[in-house]
Formats: sequence, C-alpha cells, structure tokens
Amino acid sequence: NAGVTQTPKFQVLKTGQSMTLQCAQDMNHNSMYWYRQDPGMGLRLIYYSASEGTTDKGEVPNGYNVSRLNKREFSLRLESAAPSQTSVYFCASSVLSSGGTDTQYFGPGTRLTVL
Amino acid sequence: GENVEQHPSTLSVQEGDSAVIKCTYSDSASNYFPWYKQELGKRPQLIIDIRSNVGEKKDQRIAVTLNKTAKHFSLHITETQPEDSAVYFCAAKGREYGKLTFGQGTILTVHP
Repeated sequence: NAGVTQTPKFQVLKTGQSMTLQCAQDMNHNSMYWYRQDPGMGLRLIYYSASEGTTDKGEVPNGYNVSRLNKREFSLRLESAAPSQTSVYFCASSVLSSGGTDTQYFGPGTRLTVL
Repeated sequence: GENVEQHPSTLSVQEGDSAVIKCTYSDSASNYFPWYKQELGKRPQLIIDIRSNVGEKKDQRIAVTLNKTAKHFSLHITETQPEDSAVYFCAAKGREYGKLTFGQGTILTVHP
C-alpha cells in the first residue's frame, strides 16, 4: 500500500494564478483532511471530509475550495493564489476505530510558494 | 472550538537525559490525544496516543500521561538519543467528528 499520496511535491505560483493539489489514499479510510503548516503555527485544518459526499470547513478555509471526488481522492483548489498562501500543505486520512481512536495518516506534503 | 497550547516551543537536552513536553486543551469533551513526530522535511508520524479513559500509556522509551481534571497531557521521552531530534506536535480530538486540533509544536534537539 502506498498510504496517502500527494501531487505535486513542489509548486511555485504567481499571485492570482490557480491550481489544484491532489491527494489520494489506498487505505479505504472514510475521512480525509487538508492542513497547512506554517512556521511556529503547527498544523491548521483547512477543510475536511468526514465521508464520501460531505465536506466541511476547518479553521482556515478562506481562499480554498475542496472536492471529495470519491472515497480515495480529496483535492484542494486555490482559485486565486495569494502570497499569504505560501505554506506546506498536508493531506491526511483516517478511519474511526471501534475503540474510538481516529489516527490520522499524513501524506508527504506539497511545498507551495506564491510570488 | 478546541484550543491546544503546547510548551515549550524549543527544548534542548543532552543524550541520555529525559525530555518532557506539555499540552493543555480547552474542550472538556475531548477524548483522544495523539502525539506526532515530524523530522525535517518529512510528514508528521504518530508516535503514541491516549484515550480519555486512560491515565497513562507507555511504549518503550515514550510515555504519555493525561490529567482530565486539569485538562493537560504530557509526552515523556527517557534516555533520549540524537535520532529523537525532531518537531513534536500534540493534538486533541474534540466534539466534532474526526477533527484534530494541533499544538504549535516543540523543537527537540538532543546533543550527543
């Protein structure tokens, strides 16, 4: 199993350009997440999808949109990139266990720079 | 929503010493507390977790303790080694399904 995969690994955009970050998981997990990681601020949740067909806003959703394409894939779109969106983006997936734990497994990340 | 505070932001120890990182959370309904380790340029990886009905959990040199009354939990690493050097994040799962709130991270440096 590849686990959680993300593309691309690196991207440089100009202000105002758009792009879509792709994420896929092969662990048959129900829930998927998008985070951004900035220095000194930990991981902040942008959007999440508790199950196929549902999406919800996280802590920092402004400037982003998401699509849960199917159970495996969850994409993040920047419609008009801004320098403030320069960050490392992580996708994660999880499944709620019978014991109540909800371990999240992370992808390798996408390093995005907006000039 | 949930708020998680993590301290210290940086921690420097000598090889063989113990390291302790502390987190506090705000939502009394939070019931799951994982710890992640992130090496430079890599993804966060789960190293240990604890549920709210357990006070302590150990895995070799790593342990986590939880005080529900005070709403804080801690990561303890004994006999630290240089390969323990990384950024450590605590997190709490609150009322909303599946959502984790992360602390700001602790940069641990273990000097040989």
